Amino acid sequence: DAGVIQSPRHEVTEMGQEVTLRCKPISGHNSLFWYRQTMMRGLELLIYFNNNVPIDDSGMPEDRFSAKMPNASFSTLKIQPSEPRDSAVYFCASQPWGTSGRDSYNEQFFGPGTRLTVL
Amino acid sequence: QKEVEQNSGPLSVPEGAIASLNCTYSDRGSQSFFWYRQYSGKSPELIMFIYSNGDKEDGRFTAQLNKASQYVSLLIRDSQPSDSATYLCAVSRPGGKLIFGQGTELSVKP
Repeated sequence: DAGVIQSPRHEVTEMGQEVTLRCKPISGHNSLFWYRQTMMRGLELLIYFNNNVPIDDSGMPEDRFSAKMPNASFSTLKIQPSEPRDSAVYFCASQPWGTSGRDSYNEQFFGPGTRLTVL
Repeated sequence: QKEVEQNSGPLSVPEGAIASLNCTYSDRGSQSFFWYRQYSGKSPELIMFIYSNGDKEDGRFTAQLNKASQYVSLLIRDSQPSDSATYLCAVSRPGGKLIFGQGTELSVKP
C-alpha cells in the first residue's frame, strides 16, 4: 500500500493566486481529514469527510478555503485567493471506517504533507 | 484556554534517561487520547492511544491517563537519540476528529 498520497509536495505561489492541494487516501478508508500545521497555531483540523460527505468544516478559516471529495479516492483543498498567512504545511489523513474498541483504534494515517509558501 | 495544552519545550534528556511528556485537556467528557510522534519535516505518526484511567505500556513507551485531573502523559524509558522528535498529544471527538496540542519538542543527547 502506498499510503496517503499528496501533491504537490511543495508549492510556492504569489498572493492572490489560486492554490489547489490534492490528496489520495488509502484504498478502503472511508474518512478523510485535512489539517494545517504552523509554528504559531500547531496542527489544526480544517475539514473532514465520511464516505465523501463533508461532516465538519468548522475549522476552515474563511470562505477563501474550500474542499471537495468527488469520490472515495480523491480530495482537493482549494485556496482562492491565497494570502501570505496561508503559508503552512497542509496534511491529509485517512482513516478506516468503524467503531474503535476498548483496546483498538482505527488509526488516522497522515500523508507526507504539502508545504505551501505564499509570497 | 486551549482545548489541549502541552509544554512546547524543548525538553532535553541524556541518552538512557526517562523522558516525561505531559498534556492537559479541558473537555471533561473526552474519552480517547493519543500520542503522535513527528520527526522534523515529516508527518505525524501514532505511537500510543489510551482510553482508560491508569497506565498502558508498549515497549519503551508508557501512556498514563488521569481523567479526574484531565491529564495525560507519555513516558519514554531508556531514551535514544532516535526518539528526538516533537510529540503531539491529541484528544478525539465524535466522528474521529482529533484536537491536537502544540507539541513538545524532545531532544535526547548522546
